[in-house]
Amino acid sequence: KAGVTQTPRYLIKTRGQQVTLSCSPISGHRSVSWYQQTPGQGLQFLFEYFSETQRNKGNFPGRFSGRQFSNSRSEMNVSTLELGDSALYLCASSPLAGSWGNEQFFGPGTRLTVL
Amino acid sequence: AQSVAQPEDQVNVAEGNPLTVKCTYSVSGNPYLFWYVQYPNRGLQFLLKYITGDNLVKGSYGFEAEFNKSQTSFHLKKPSALVSDSALYFCAVRDEGNTPLVFGKGTRLSVIA
Repeated sequence: KAGVTQTPRYLIKTRGQQVTLSCSPISGHRSVSWYQQTPGQGLQFLFEYFSETQRNKGNFPGRFSGRQFSNSRSEMNVSTLELGDSALYLCASSPLAGSWGNEQFFGPGTRLTVL
Repeated sequence: AQSVAQPEDQVNVAEGNPLTVKCTYSVSGNPYLFWYVQYPNRGLQFLLKYITGDNLVKGSYGFEAEFNKSQTSFHLKKPSALVSDSALYFCAVRDEGNTPLVFGKGTRLSVIA
C-alpha cells in the first residue's frame, strides 16, 4: 500500500499570502489529522477529519482551515500568512475514527517558509 | 483536557547501554498511549502503543514501554542502544471519547559510539 502523501513538499510564501496544502491518506483510511511542527512548540494538533466532518480542532486562529473530500483526501488552508506560520505541516491518517487506539500513519510533511 | 510531558529535551547514551526516554501524561479517563520516532527530514513513524492489558508493551526495533497508572507514566526503553536509534522521540496520548491525539514536545536521543 502506498503511504500518506503530501504535496507540495516545500513551499516558500511571503507574508499576507495564502497557501493550500494537500494530503492523500492511505487507501481505505477515512480519518485524517493535521499537525504543525516547530522547534519551539513541538507537534501541535490542528484538525481531525472523518468522513468529510471535522471532529476536533486545535487551538489555532481562524486563519487556519481545512476540509476533507469524499475520497478522504484532505486540504488545509492558511490565509494571511505570518512569519510564525513557518513550520513543517504533517498529515496523518488512520483507518477509523472512533477506534481511539488506532495508530496514525504520517506523511513526510510540507515544509512551509514564510518570508 | 489531556496533556503529555517529556521532561528531557535531550538524552545521551553510549552504544550498547540501556536507554530510557521519559513520558508522563494526564487524562480524565483511560489513556491511549503511543510512542513515535522521527528521523531527520522524515515524518513520524509509529513505534508502539498501550491500549489495555499487559503494562509492558513491546514494539518495533527492540523498543518497549512500561505503562504505570499510579505514576501516570509511559517510559520508552531499550536494553541496548544502537547509534541508528539516534532520532527525535515523541510520546502521545489520547483520552477516551472524541478527543484529539496530543503529543509531547519530543526528546532528542543521541547514541554515541
